Amino acid sequence: NAGVTQTPKFRILKIGQSMTLQCTQDMNHNYMYWYRQDPGMGLKLIYYSVGAGITDKGEVPNGYNVSRSTTEDFPLRLELAAPSQTSVYFCASSYNYVYNEQFFGPGTRLTVL
Amino acid sequence: AQKITQTQPGMFVQEKEAVTLDCTYDTSDQSYGLFWYKQPSSGEMIFLIYQGSYDEQNATEGRYSLNFQKARKSANLVISASQLGDSAMYFCAMREAGAGSYQLTFGKGTKLSVIP
Repeated sequence: NAGVTQTPKFRILKIGQSMTLQCTQDMNHNYMYWYRQDPGMGLKLIYYSVGAGITDKGEVPNGYNVSRSTTEDFPLRLELAAPSQTSVYFCASSYNYVYNEQFFGPGTRLTVL
Repeated sequence: AQKITQTQPGMFVQEKEAVTLDCTYDTSDQSYGLFWYKQPSSGEMIFLIYQGSYDEQNATEGRYSLNFQKARKSANLVISASQLGDSAMYFCAMREAGAGSYQLTFGKGTKLSVIP
């Protein structure tokens, strides 16, 4: 099992550019998540999905969009990048059970200049 | 109000000694899970240990144990026999059954430094 994979690992964007962060999991988890981690802080939820075709906003969704066409993939789209979106982005997946841990991808470090 | 509070921004511990990292939480749910993750300088999130709200015994995983005091709403992580490789950020997090997302809500973390 590869677990949760994310691409790219690093990216530098100019203000106003757009990009898609890719996330794939091979554990057949229904629940998938996107978090962002700002320097010196814990992770905050951007969007989540409870299954293919179903997504919903988390705590900090502004400036982002997601889609979930398959169980395995959960891409995060940044439109019109802004410096405030400079962060480390983590994708995670889990079973829909409160006592199961979430499995995290290695993260994408994004800088917007 | 913060759901997860970690009051120690940084901690130092001598190699081979034990250390306790504090975590308090706030929830009105009866069913919830408490988790600790380690984030080394390389950046990945490593799951360490979890405690379910209905678990009567404290969770243990190797050198990690969770001191769960439900009435006080605390879930402190104890690392025994610290090693240099334990130097990292440590995050306490909670999943609540009442949240349809089953998301993890994180504290701000504690930076642990192990001194040789």
